[in-house]
Amino acid sequence: EAGVTQSPTHLIKTRGQQATLRCSPISGHTSVYWYQQALGLGLQFLLWYDEGEERNRGNFPPRFSGRQFPNYSSELNVNALELEDSALYLCASSLAVEQYFGPGTRLTVT
Amino acid sequence: QQQVKQSPQSLIVQKGGISIINCAYENTAFDYFPWYQQFPGKGPALLIAIRPDVSEKKEGRFTISFNKSAKQFSLHIMDSQPGDSATYFCAASWRAGGGADGLTFGKGTHLIIQP
Repeated sequence: EAGVTQSPTHLIKTRGQQATLRCSPISGHTSVYWYQQALGLGLQFLLWYDEGEERNRGNFPPRFSGRQFPNYSSELNVNALELEDSALYLCASSLAVEQYFGPGTRLTVT
Repeated sequence: QQQVKQSPQSLIVQKGGISIINCAYENTAFDYFPWYQQFPGKGPALLIAIRPDVSEKKEGRFTISFNKSAKQFSLHIMDSQPGDSATYFCAASWRAGGGADGLTFGKGTHLIIQP
């Protein structure tokens, strides 16, 4: 069974630009979660999507947004990039309670 | 406000020894407590999880002990091996609508098992 996949692996953007990160959940999973893992800040919850709807979001500004598609894949959009947005962005999927993580997208903002 | 506090920040254990990592939480609404293992360059991997109606759960060499009254839980790795060297995260969440809300993570413990 294929795990959670994320693309791209690495992404380099300039401050002020927009970044789009993509996630494909484990087959059959309907929930997708996004997390930010920044140096010194640990893993922080960003967004939770279930059945195409945003269920909850963490303590992040509105320029972090996303959506979930009918096939349950998801994308995370970060607008007006700031230097401190440089981090590993992790996607997790779930069918019930357990969350399974992908390998992440390393976003670097210069 | 950090809702899940994890200690120690780093830990060195001899091969064959017991590794113990502790976490404390504040939010009494939490009812799901997983542990994750992360190797460099990889995403976190779910190791074991517990719910507050159980005081202990064991899977292979990994055991979670849970103390609801103290709002603490810990991970014990028995017979620690060099391959267990990784960063370990405790987390907490609450169940919502058939699933679970976003996880609140501890800051992580960098574990080194010396051969």
